[in-house]
Amino acid sequence: QKEVEQDPGPLSVPEGAIVSLNCTYSNSAFQYFMWYRQYSRKGPELLMYTYSSGNKEDGRFTAQVDKSSKYISLFIRDSQPSDSATYLCAMSEGDYKLSFGAGTTVTVRA
Amino acid sequence: EPEVTQTPSHQVTQMGQEVILRCVPISNHLYFYWYRQILGQKVEFLVSFYNNEISEKSEIFDDQFSVERPDGSNFTLKIRSTKLEDSAMYFCASSETGQGPWTQYFGPGTRLLVL
Repeated sequence: QKEVEQDPGPLSVPEGAIVSLNCTYSNSAFQYFMWYRQYSRKGPELLMYTYSSGNKEDGRFTAQVDKSSKYISLFIRDSQPSDSATYLCAMSEGDYKLSFGAGTTVTVRA
Repeated sequence: EPEVTQTPSHQVTQMGQEVILRCVPISNHLYFYWYRQILGQKVEFLVSFYNNEISEKSEIFDDQFSVERPDGSNFTLKIRSTKLEDSAMYFCASSETGQGPWTQYFGPGTRLLVL
């Protein structure tokens, strides 16, 4: 079983729709959970992070972590064409090594 | 806003040649990292570096790889004898405190092509 699994998509939604992204993981030692956005030819850019089960909201973005199911989600409300990008989940046991998912490519159609 | 920069943006080399990828971390950052992303695959951790020492490295980071902070501003990744499978995008990242993996800021990457 892969350490971090993420459906690569692609995912295409109309403007204003809710985008739902998720990852599963097998390493129960992961304690930090992040979501990154990556535009073409750019490095990953942090969107959100959390280190406990539950929900965390930041504007149009909501991150959910369910450690008992080893499942994390990212929801984007009122999606905009500018949200079109690749979204990467990432996890870590400690402060240094990030383990990434494969990334989901999202297109928001105007 | 301060950012991590990387040079060159693209590099083409012949198999067996040595390459050095350069990164300028954010100026007050003390922790440095290299990751790579083979085309169509995940971003993979290579190494973390603090206080002129490697603090953690992955299985990928074998004897062909080395890192160095040659001066107060640059952080480099050297691949001694490149292989075809080293072709990838290489990302540098830096962190001010090293506390919390979410504090890593990524550069735009260097695309390495080994022929």
